[in-house]
Amino acid sequence: GAVVSQHPSWVICKSGTSVKIECRSLDFQATTMFWYRQFPKQSLMLMATSNEGSKATYEQGVEKDKFLINHASLTLSTLTVTSAHPEDSSFYICSASQSGPYEQYFGPGTRLTVT
Amino acid sequence: GENVEQHPSTLSVQEGDSAVIKCTYSDSASNYFPWYKQELGKRPQLIIDIRSNVGEKKDQRIAVTLNKTAKHFSLHITETQPEDSAVYFCAARVDDYKLSFGAGTTVTVRA
Repeated sequence: GAVVSQHPSWVICKSGTSVKIECRSLDFQATTMFWYRQFPKQSLMLMATSNEGSKATYEQGVEKDKFLINHASLTLSTLTVTSAHPEDSSFYICSASQSGPYEQYFGPGTRLTVT
Repeated sequence: GENVEQHPSTLSVQEGDSAVIKCTYSDSASNYFPWYKQELGKRPQLIIDIRSNVGEKKDQRIAVTLNKTAKHFSLHITETQPEDSAVYFCAARVDDYKLSFGAGTTVTVRA
């Protein structure tokens, strides 16, 4: 149980375009989902927290108009990188948890390369 | 917010020896401390966790200790094997459910 999927697993896009990444909890209802960014050989940096049906809460320094997060259902959250630039190239990982202080289950990550 | 420091950044051990990774945290309200193993290009995998009401927890070759007074916790891996080679992250969480991660430790087990 507790499986989280992400799609796509990797994507290459041109500078200036937008890319959408999906995060799904396959066998449980995820009240809260988290989006992280990880640069090579670095730690996971929390970008935002999203609760189903509510606006996402962004961490300091993360542009909410650039990284659009939607958590429309208890099993799906999406991250859209708008007007992507090469510096947005990174490994994006989502995680999901049930209501309350439960374990976070991580998705497999999405490798984004902006050319 | 919570600040988690992790040491060392790299660790090389001979197969069969033990490995120890140490983390400190700043927020005394943190109550949950998971450890993750991440292989290159893969998702972080939870290997062991400990809650603030427990001082030590063991699962086969892996153990975690927590010192709430000093605000530090450690991961111990005994009888290391080549498949233990990976990047290990510690994390701490307060009641808002957000995890704050350490910088990571790259562990290399030499055969």
